[in-house]
Amino acid sequence: DGGITQSPKYLFRKEGQNVTLSCEQNLNHDAMYWYRQDPGQGLRLIYYSQIVNDFQKGDIAEGYSVSREKKESFPLTVTSAQKNPTAFYLCASSSRRTASSGANVLTFGAGSRLTVL
Amino acid sequence: SQQGEEDPQALSIQEGENATMNCSYKTSINNLQWYRQNSGRGLVHLILIRSNEREKHSGRLRVTLDTSKKSSSLLITASRAADTASYFCATPPGGSNTGKLIFGQGTTLQVKP
Repeated sequence: DGGITQSPKYLFRKEGQNVTLSCEQNLNHDAMYWYRQDPGQGLRLIYYSQIVNDFQKGDIAEGYSVSREKKESFPLTVTSAQKNPTAFYLCASSSRRTASSGANVLTFGAGSRLTVL
Repeated sequence: SQQGEEDPQALSIQEGENATMNCSYKTSINNLQWYRQNSGRGLVHLILIRSNEREKHSGRLRVTLDTSKKSSSLLITASRAADTASYFCATPPGGSNTGKLIFGQGTTLQVKP
């Protein structure tokens, strides 16, 4: 089955620690995205990548870093510089065909919930 | 930045009733999408309506788009308890084709059996 796998589902972090959230897709999608969701809120874009070895900052990139070394993988690191990292993190992907047509439909993973202790 | 704003923020109805959610946006768009999120899960794409379309149907879903008012509505007919979820509208910022989508804050729908 094609889809997006996020891991871990739950993660606890002590203050001052960096943590990395994994996102893997087998949909052969070119573009990948990381969103953050706070309770009762919508999604805010952290980073996105349209092709391998290239990525752009979203609206709330401070305190986060990403890499895109493989088409299938787009890991997100939450650094100690992120002041309020407790949130639900969602990874998504889309094909370049739909993105370039202006009708970009996203496929989402099940999410990772990060809690800072 | 939030492009879309949903209204109402929360909606509670009885099974069998219709549910209507509204979305307003700020800039010009080439399409608008609706997504559904079950509690604690990822989002699932429901339907996309292009800027040159006024209405679109998919099963029990009906979406309208009024570009002059910069608004869209999602109607779920004959609701079921399984429709309980949060619903989000999403648009490309400024009609761009970078692939980015900006999501509203969502409407939480509760359907009581």
